[in-house]
Amino acid sequence: DAGVIQSPRHEVTEMGQEVTLRCKPISGHNSLFWYRQTMMRGLELLIYFNNNVPIDDSGMPEDRFSAKMPNASFSTLKIQPSEPRDSAVYFCASTLRDRGRGGYTFGSGTRLTVV
Amino acid sequence: GQQVMQIPQYQHVQEGEDFTTYCNSSTTLSNIQWYKQRPGGHPVFLIQLVKSGEVKKQKRLTFQFGEAKKNSSLHITATQTTDVGTYFCAGIQGGSEKLVFGKGMKLTVNP
Repeated sequence: DAGVIQSPRHEVTEMGQEVTLRCKPISGHNSLFWYRQTMMRGLELLIYFNNNVPIDDSGMPEDRFSAKMPNASFSTLKIQPSEPRDSAVYFCASTLRDRGRGGYTFGSGTRLTVV
Repeated sequence: GQQVMQIPQYQHVQEGEDFTTYCNSSTTLSNIQWYKQRPGGHPVFLIQLVKSGEVKKQKRLTFQFGEAKKNSSLHITATQTTDVGTYFCAGIQGGSEKLVFGKGMKLTVNP
């Protein structure tokens, strides 16, 4: 199993540009989560999906952030326009929802720098 | 909203020492999970506790879930340099599927 795959690993972009982060969950997992990690705020849940359907997006900071999951094997997190305060490590995680809420498997993350 | 607090935030120990880190929730949890993140890495799942008062061991690591299901602890025996990293507890409130993470406890080990 290749694990949760995220791309790109690093992204440096200029303020105002659109950024798209990608995630491929573990095959067979039916829940997918997007987290953001910063020194100040720690790990924050942005949004999660069950069976490709967005369930809770209350953690999405503002309208500049959007997430989609068009099928069971792919999800995107888009920031448009990006701002310097969006700089963080973004993690995608997946799990098998009906397995008694077992542990999440995290991807390696995307380190985003907005200059 | 649900909050998970961890203490201490930083811990520096001498190799071979024991130590304990604690996790407290503002609400009753249906389960609590522990993760470890190495510097520059991603969180890796260690264990899940579900039952009140549950105790689980993984080699030198002992995890406990409080009787009221609002707190948890991680005890490491005979710390090694390979234990270096940040340990997170994360809880799920009953009926929810949102895993809320504490700020983590960063462990450094002096060889």
